[in-house]
Amino acid sequence: DQQVKQNSPSLSVQEGRISILNCDYTNSMFDYFLWYKKYPAEGPTFLISISSIKDKNEDGRFTVFLNKSAKHLSLHIVPSQPGDSAVYFCAATGRGSTLGRLYFGRGTQLTVWP
Amino acid sequence: DTGVSQDPRHKITKRGQNVTFRCDPISEHNRLYWYRQTLGQGPEFLTYFQNEAQLEKSRLLSDRFSAERPKGSFSTLEIQRTEQGDSAMYLCASSLGAGTSVYEQYFGPGTRLTVT
Repeated sequence: DQQVKQNSPSLSVQEGRISILNCDYTNSMFDYFLWYKKYPAEGPTFLISISSIKDKNEDGRFTVFLNKSAKHLSLHIVPSQPGDSAVYFCAATGRGSTLGRLYFGRGTQLTVWP
Repeated sequence: DTGVSQDPRHKITKRGQNVTFRCDPISEHNRLYWYRQTLGQGPEFLTYFQNEAQLEKSRLLSDRFSAERPKGSFSTLEIQRTEQGDSAMYLCASSLGAGTSVYEQYFGPGTRLTVT
């Protein structure tokens, strides 16, 4: 059962524009959410996180928005750069889960073109 | 500190053989996790350690799989009698053990296993 879903396998955006990556979850016990970025031949790299007590967290060009009622979160990258081209994984965890166990979506391949 | 390291990076083995992978976490991290990633999927949790204690195992971890972290530092993951379905990327991650830091896991580059 896929408790974290990323329904868009790919996204293509022009350099300088906004990239919006979406993620949905089904488990209402999740209360902490993360985004990871993965380049080929490397492990996932932690990017940004958000607790369920917040609805927005910002770090430089990256902002994560959380809509608890809709069980939806999104990652905004502004402005997008070619170096942002990677696979982005949404992950969730929280109460009722093994402490620290992350549930990942299938990922979205972001391509930023010049 | 150079981050989480894994060895080997690639392993090709014949079905039925045993394989062992090693993970060296970030030195001050007391939590260590193993995940498996197959093509088109996100990483799936296998097991985790708090220091040397193995605290949880996923149902994905059949009895052919065993993991150890003998001194609370490096960890090994062994697969006995490998099957073609074991072909995957095996990822190791580590984190601090307190507060929300446990969630911010740092991953190694992975070991890609191919069973022929």
